[in-house]
Amino acid sequence: AQSVAQPEDQVNVAEGNPLTVKCTYSVSGNPYLFWYVQYPNRGLQFLLKYITGDNLVKGSYGFEAEFNKSQTSFHLKKPSALVSDSALYFCAVRPLYNQGGKLIFGQGTELSVKP
Amino acid sequence: EAQVTQNPRYLITVTGKKLTVTCSQNMNHEYMSWYRQDPGLGLRQIYYSMNVEVTDKGDVPEGYKVSRKEKRNFPLILESPSPNQTSLYFCASSLGIGYNEQFFGPGTRLTVL
Repeated sequence: AQSVAQPEDQVNVAEGNPLTVKCTYSVSGNPYLFWYVQYPNRGLQFLLKYITGDNLVKGSYGFEAEFNKSQTSFHLKKPSALVSDSALYFCAVRPLYNQGGKLIFGQGTELSVKP
Repeated sequence: EAQVTQNPRYLITVTGKKLTVTCSQNMNHEYMSWYRQDPGLGLRQIYYSMNVEVTDKGDVPEGYKVSRKEKRNFPLILESPSPNQTSLYFCASSLGIGYNEQFFGPGTRLTVL
């Protein structure tokens, strides 16, 4: 079965420190990979995506993500965390030949950045 | 402003009382989808639509119906809601499938008593 795993329910980081939110996937072929962020009482907002090419992709709000094909991972990173980055983060994949356009989501990781 | 809107944002209802959650997008997107979000499960797709009059089941379609009579609207219908449909619902749209990112509505929190 195709799946996405975010192994940490919660990540705690001090402001100014680097952050990493982990994501691994089990999907046949080469999927498209996405990160979304959800702030309280809001819908999901797109952060960044990997389609092909450079393994390091840059997105909104200073976030970046590193694609690792051999480890089937797509970890989200930021060099210096802000308190305003505190939110729920979702990794999602779309198999290349998925007919329904469905995104397969991880269960989410709650990021807490403390001053 | 480009956006996906949903109504209502909050709804408390009782078992068996038919309800409709509306979804509308102003981006001329062909693809629309409904998800439900439950703690520890992430988002799961209920139904999707590739274009007008083209809809199909997602992973958890039981108990739901949809229609796509116009490109901009994609309502979610619960003919006879049950307590296990208590959840947070999101509508999303995108230019197409593939590598296009999806734009999400603000969510509808539904409680079925």
